[in-house]
Amino acid sequence: ETTLTQSPAFMSATPGDKVNISCKASQDIDDDMNWYQQKPGEAAIFIIQEATTLVPGIPPRFSGSGYGTDFTLTINNIESEDAAYYFCLQHDNFPPTFGQGTKVEIK
Amino acid sequence: QVQLQESGPGLVKPSETLSLTCTVSGGSISSYYWSWIRQPPGKGLEWIGYIYYSGSTNYNPSLKSRVTISVDTSKNQFSLKLSSVTAADTAVYYCARDMHDGSYYYGMDVWGQGTTVTVSS
Repeated sequence: ETTLTQSPAFMSATPGDKVNISCKASQDIDDDMNWYQQKPGEAAIFIIQEATTLVPGIPPRFSGSGYGTDFTLTINNIESEDAAYYFCLQHDNFPPTFGQGTKVEIK
Repeated sequence: QVQLQESGPGLVKPSETLSLTCTVSGGSISSYYWSWIRQPPGKGLEWIGYIYYSGSTNYNPSLKSRVTISVDTSKNQFSLKLSSVTAADTAVYYCARDMHDGSYYYGMDVWGQGTTVTVSS
């Protein structure tokens, strides 16, 4: 089973900041990494597919990078509406596994 | 757009079977794979398994002995049964639509908002 180590678990940002969230895989997963955003009581939203591709309809301030074992979700010029829980998913190896998640607070 | 809604008892007794249903609206259940995922309090997400609309399934080996996922295309619903539950099965349970081209799995693209299930006597 592929373990995803996501960090940080919590971060606080100011509007306009650039935020980076890391997800490290315990083995090579090519670019088979997705990122999701979830707000309390709401359905998770699919934001990045295949490590770097922005899902249609997602604001371009979101971006993804990485390949192999190290991946990053970046939020440029973060806005108050970006306060949420973010998590990564690897779908290269069975079973699909998730990172532990990052809670992003906006000051 | 497709929406998913989980439903079922919020409280289940230890040793009993947890049963949840996911209703798909705004689209057909046909031609897609559908997953169940859970998140225990304070922990990360865990994939439970998925089902194709035709009925074929694949389960997480860690839960395989206790899990059954089924589909009812006439109702546009799919369901989860988890037997012999313990307190460790207390979690928020999510249903989701999968991206799968028949050969390769690409993860989930649409999620439900989740339902909390507590295992307690």
